[in-house]
Amino acid sequence: DAKTTQPPSMDCAEGRAANLPCNHSTISGNEYVYWYRQIHSQGPQYIIHGLKNNETNEMASLIITEDRKSSTLILPHATLRDTAVYYCIVRVAFTGNTPLVFGKGTRLSVIA
Amino acid sequence: SQTIHQWPATLVQPVGSPLSLECTVEGTSNPNLYWYRQAAGRGLQLLFYSVGIGQISSEVPQNLSASRPQDRQFILSSKKLLLSDSGFYLCAWSVVYGELFFGEGSRLTVL
Repeated sequence: DAKTTQPPSMDCAEGRAANLPCNHSTISGNEYVYWYRQIHSQGPQYIIHGLKNNETNEMASLIITEDRKSSTLILPHATLRDTAVYYCIVRVAFTGNTPLVFGKGTRLSVIA
Repeated sequence: SQTIHQWPATLVQPVGSPLSLECTVEGTSNPNLYWYRQAAGRGLQLLFYSVGIGQISSEVPQNLSASRPQDRQFILSSKKLLLSDSGFYLCAWSVVYGELFFGEGSRLTVL
């Protein structure tokens, strides 16, 4: 699976949009971009994933650049409860049983 | 709906004592099961995963072992705990690959 690079930490004002970047310059054509988050002392939670089109769900939006070498997770109106470590993972979906490998992620702090 | 149960939630064990953490999944059949560990202030480390009963893959050689005696049961064990085994242990499952669902975690402190 391709490697990802994320900033170690970010701050965001409550109510504003949080834009979390992820670089994956070695991504292959059949690899998806997955986002998870981990709130302190809890297990990670799946947020969203995409291949090349932008995706949106009730939690967030995922913007993938046209060359697919980077992506941005957008939390449109961040709240204090969005404070967490956010993980960007690139992997091939539906390939059998190779598990997800988590990097260090970005620690997002939402400030009142 | 599917649920995952993990226990105990917290435990404090002396060095050299045995360990058994248990994880069960409900509402699905033949899930892939995983054990991850998170040491204090560090990222998630994959320890073991299983694609079926009796099938265990180890990602990191260490003082721990895993077993899957039933389809929806995954057990993490150690015969003799080390100080370095302290951490937050997370069980997870998946069916559709890439979407992991995690349990609440077990916090282990080895003294």
